[in-house]
Amino acid sequence: AQKVTQAQTEISVVEKEDVTLDCVYETRDTTYYLFWYKQPPSGELVFLIRRNSFDEQNEISGRYSWNFQKSTSSFNFTITASQVVDSAVYFCALSVPGGAQKLVFGQGTRLTINP
Amino acid sequence: DAGVIQSPRHEVTEMGQEVTLRCKPISGHDYLFWYRQTMMRGLELLIYFNNNVPIDDSGMPEDRFSAKMPNASFSTLKIQPSEPRDSAVYFCASSQIRKILNTGELFFGEGSRLTVL
Repeated sequence: AQKVTQAQTEISVVEKEDVTLDCVYETRDTTYYLFWYKQPPSGELVFLIRRNSFDEQNEISGRYSWNFQKSTSSFNFTITASQVVDSAVYFCALSVPGGAQKLVFGQGTRLTINP
Repeated sequence: DAGVIQSPRHEVTEMGQEVTLRCKPISGHDYLFWYRQTMMRGLELLIYFNNNVPIDDSGMPEDRFSAKMPNASFSTLKIQPSEPRDSAVYFCASSQIRKILNTGELFFGEGSRLTVL
């Protein structure tokens, strides 16, 4: 069975600070995918990134970066120079091949960026 | 392009009543998913369809829940009879096979918030 743990329930920082959201996953599959989704106040989940288990390269997209470490089963997400618009709930998720995208989500981390 | 459209956005009903949630996926998408979000259980996959055919309904909680996709542009999730523990936000998401293979991206609607009194 797959499991995703986001230990940080809520994080609050001041604008322009860097912030890292933690994600730890469990799976016995050797091939799997990891995701991050953002849920803004409007409610819909917005896709941010997917990584596959064979690609441990870190990813950077603007102010966002992701650190994937198989040795610690972690897929952490860092926002650099945070902005108020980054305030949202962020979900880490896991899926395995063989059934479209059956995502197993973590409980989410509510991030508040204060001006 | 229009995104995934869900209705109603909010529904308040009394225990025992039938509830029908509706979803219009993005045109051209051949996969449709129903998720449920609660404080206790987080986001859970209930059922998904491929080309209007239910593929996996193992997440449907019990027989009171049913989902249909009569055509490529419409799906319903029905709860009959509803119970207070069904209170949750229900999300519909869609995607297409090429998108799923390339990036894994699902496109979510804004959700239907259901309150059963």
